[in-house]
Amino acid sequence: DAGITQSPRHKVTETGTPVTLRCHQTENHRYMYWYRQDPGHGLRLIHYSYGVKDTDKGEVSDGYSVSRSKTEDFLLTLESATSSQTSVYFCAISESVPNTGELFFGEGSRLTVL
Amino acid sequence: AQSVSQHNHHVILSEAASLELGCNYSYGGTVNLFWYVQYPGQHLQLLLKYFSGDPLVKGIKGFEAEFIKSKFSFNLRKPSVQWSDTAEYFCAAQSGGSYIPTFGRGTSLIVHP
Repeated sequence: DAGITQSPRHKVTETGTPVTLRCHQTENHRYMYWYRQDPGHGLRLIHYSYGVKDTDKGEVSDGYSVSRSKTEDFLLTLESATSSQTSVYFCAISESVPNTGELFFGEGSRLTVL
Repeated sequence: AQSVSQHNHHVILSEAASLELGCNYSYGGTVNLFWYVQYPGQHLQLLLKYFSGDPLVKGIKGFEAEFIKSKFSFNLRKPSVQWSDTAEYFCAAQSGGSYIPTFGRGTSLIVHP
């Protein structure tokens, strides 16, 4: 398995509080992604990064921000959590050379916003 | 924008039945195609992939998929399913030059022993 660690794995928080999820990789892959998984919606891309300090929005980026200050770490922040952000969040990584599109996923972080 | 459609959202089979899950993509150019599997409570893992060459691709655990360019399809098959194949299956496509794969909504497969 690819060296991808997500933390925390489970979190319960209250509406309006900030939350940060961390993704750490040991593969030195250039691309990192944050997805959320919800029943009936499959996987939806929140944000992705194509290098240190280089990030871009995905299809469901509203309410989320990201940062990547080091190759190995990609942080996802919910500035003010809402109940609609209750979900399972997956981090993924991929190589840029060769660009195959194959993703390696972390174990997931289950977030519950009360 | 590229899209991926999985037509079967829920499939229920008995052990030893044959399986075929449909996947269609919208992009007309060069495309890389994937099937991922997510066992209950686990993360997604690659089942098989197609980049080029033989359109019949064999993956792990007896799964295979056929790329039919004229139909924009990449259907997943297994001749005889097992209870342990119970999982969610995701099709994904990545157009040439992009680093962002597009995922289908997934198909939930339940196999009864």
